[in-house]
Amino acid sequence: QSVLTQPPSVSEAPRQRVSISCSGSRSNIGKNAVNWYQQLPGKAPKLLIYSDDLVPSGVSDRFSGSKSGTSASLAISGLRSEDEAHYYCASWDDSLSALVFGGGTKLTVL
Amino acid sequence: QVQPVQSGAEMRKPGASVKVSCKASGYTFTSYDVHWVRQAPGQRLEWMGCINVVNGYTKYSQKFQGRVTISRDKPSITAYMELRSLRSEDTAVYYCASGLVGTFDLDFWGQGTLVTVSS
Repeated sequence: QSVLTQPPSVSEAPRQRVSISCSGSRSNIGKNAVNWYQQLPGKAPKLLIYSDDLVPSGVSDRFSGSKSGTSASLAISGLRSEDEAHYYCASWDDSLSALVFGGGTKLTVL
Repeated sequence: QVQPVQSGAEMRKPGASVKVSCKASGYTFTSYDVHWVRQAPGQRLEWMGCINVVNGYTKYSQKFQGRVTISRDKPSITAYMELRSLRSEDTAVYYCASGLVGTFDLDFWGQGTLVTVSS
């Protein structure tokens, strides 16, 4: 059971927009920054969003992040087949004194 | 290419130890903390701990405290993760990842090292 809760899967058609949620608590998302990682099949994760809503250099601006209270969201616009991957949220948890990850969401582009 | 390079796959028996290495490549070793994250087959990512490579200060997840040691060797720009008293549930891909000192933004990830624990 993950400290951060994500839907196991989402799906959407190409060129559409999809949103992935990440629900936490006051000890993690409520106090600390949220990062998002993309993991393509058989590959290492890749930093997609940091500090809630900042996009690293080299990452497409089709990816965006937001946070409100103890929840965060990742949005992907203009979906492409190459976006099919697992997406993980992460945040530092003050109670556990550990970096915690969500359970991951598998995105399928129909 | 900016990517830490990890050592190869390992197989161990229950009760043994394993030490995985992570060599910096393409970035300044001392500007980044090194984190270790593992992923059991089909499971979520799990943070194990991290090290400040300048002063050697370590931070561990309570889950692994006492069973894991993260270290570094500055001259060879390499970090290490040793896990002891292995059990079958430790079978996983172990990743090292680098984040700017003091942050948990894991910018560069190694290719992963599969550790299999089986009798």
